Amino acid sequence: EAQVTQNPRYLITVTGKKLTVTCSQNMNHEYMSWYRQDPGLGLRQIYYSMNVEVTDKGDVPEGYKVSRKEKRNFPLILESPSPNQTSLYFCASRTMGPYEQYFGPGTRLTVT
Amino acid sequence: QQQVKQSPQSLIVQKGGISIINCAYENTAFDYFPWYQQFPGKGPALLIAIRPDVSEKKEGRFTISFNKSAKQFSLHIMDSQPGDSATYFCAASSNTNAGKSTFGDGTTLTVKP
Repeated sequence: EAQVTQNPRYLITVTGKKLTVTCSQNMNHEYMSWYRQDPGLGLRQIYYSMNVEVTDKGDVPEGYKVSRKEKRNFPLILESPSPNQTSLYFCASRTMGPYEQYFGPGTRLTVT
Repeated sequence: QQQVKQSPQSLIVQKGGISIINCAYENTAFDYFPWYQQFPGKGPALLIAIRPDVSEKKEGRFTISFNKSAKQFSLHIMDSQPGDSATYFCAASSNTNAGKSTFGDGTTLTVKP
């Protein structure tokens, strides 16, 4: 089954404790992105990647890091999480051609 | 500066009625305008999309109307059903910066039986 998977689905952590949210897709897509969803603010793009070792900032990159060492994986790293990073996070992927994005199920992160 | 503005924030429609959600964009380089549907606890999923070379696209009960000169596009849901109750996002992207996507703030649609 073609899909984007994220882990963990739920995470509660404390301020300053480094964490990684994993994202993997099995569709051989070139493009991958991370978004955060907050009430009333829609989906805001954090980082995106156009292929292995090629990443760029989205609209809200501060406090986040990403890497793309393999085509299928695109982890999101929070080196020192803060409470304002409490949010619902989505990973998405798509091909170079049609722009349809396929979204993962989401990761709900709470930073206390 | 928000590049895609979506309205209304919430919408209540009776079963069988027409739901209309509007979006306006600023960047004339945008060349792909999708609508995504999101149910609670799920990720968004593509509903329908349009490119600026056409003014309307219809798929079943869902229609996108596109006005290039006004830089506006809208989603029309005909014969709205309770199962259409969800959050809808418009979005825009450009071939010149293909990795970047800009989303509207979302519209929560409730269809009452």
